[in-house]
Amino acid sequence: ETGVTQSPTHLIKTRGQQVTLRCSSQSGHNTVSWYQQALGQGPQFIFQYYREEENGRGNFPPRFSGLQFPNYSSELNVNALELDDSALYLCASSLVSADTQYFGPGTRLTVL
Amino acid sequence: DQQVKQNSPSLSVQEGRISILNCDYTNSMFDYFLWYKKYPAEGPTFLISISSIKDKNEDGRFTVFLNKSAKHLSLHIVPSQPGDSAVYFCAASLNAGGTSYGKLTFGQGTILTVHP
Repeated sequence: ETGVTQSPTHLIKTRGQQVTLRCSSQSGHNTVSWYQQALGQGPQFIFQYYREEENGRGNFPPRFSGLQFPNYSSELNVNALELDDSALYLCASSLVSADTQYFGPGTRLTVL
Repeated sequence: DQQVKQNSPSLSVQEGRISILNCDYTNSMFDYFLWYKKYPAEGPTFLISISSIKDKNEDGRFTVFLNKSAKHLSLHIVPSQPGDSAVYFCAASLNAGGTSYGKLTFGQGTILTVHP
C-alpha cells in the first residue's frame, strides 16, 4: 500500500506566475484535502475534493483552485502568485470525506 | 480567530518521563479531535484521535484525554523517547449535520524535545 505522494518537492516561482502542485492519494482513498502551512503555523485548510467535486473550502481567494481526477489524484493551482503564498503545501487523503486524513510530505513553494 | 490553540510553543522532557501536550478549542461544535506529529521535511503523521462521545483514548504509549466542558484536550506520552522529538499538532473537525466533510482546524504546534 503506497502512501500519499506529492510533486514537486520544492518549487521557486516569481510574483505573478502560476503554479500547479500534484498529489496522489493513498490507495483506496477517494477524498483529497489541501492545506497551506506557513512558517511557524499550523496547516490551514484550503479545500477538499470528494469524488471529483469540491466538498468544502476554507478562507482562500478564488485564485486557489483545484481538480480531482477519476483515479482520485488531485491538483492544486494557484494563479497570480503573491509573496505571501510562500509556504509548505500539504495534501491529505482519507477513505471518506470525514475520516482520518493522512498527509503527504508536502511541496515547499517559494515566491520571489 | 484561532479556534484551536496550543499555548505552549515548546516542551522539554527527560527520556522515560511523561510528556503532556495541551490544546484548547473554542468551537463547541467540534466533535472529532486528532493529534499529528511532524518531523522536519515530512508531512504530519497521524498519531491518535478521539471522538467527542469519549473522554479518553489509548494507543500504546499515547493517550488522549478530552474535557468537553473545559474545551480542552491533552496528549500524554509515557514513557517519552528521544525519537518522539518533533512538532505536535492538535486538530479538530466537525460533522455539519450529516453533510460532513473533514476540514481540519489545526493549532500552531508544540515542539517537543526529549533529552536522553
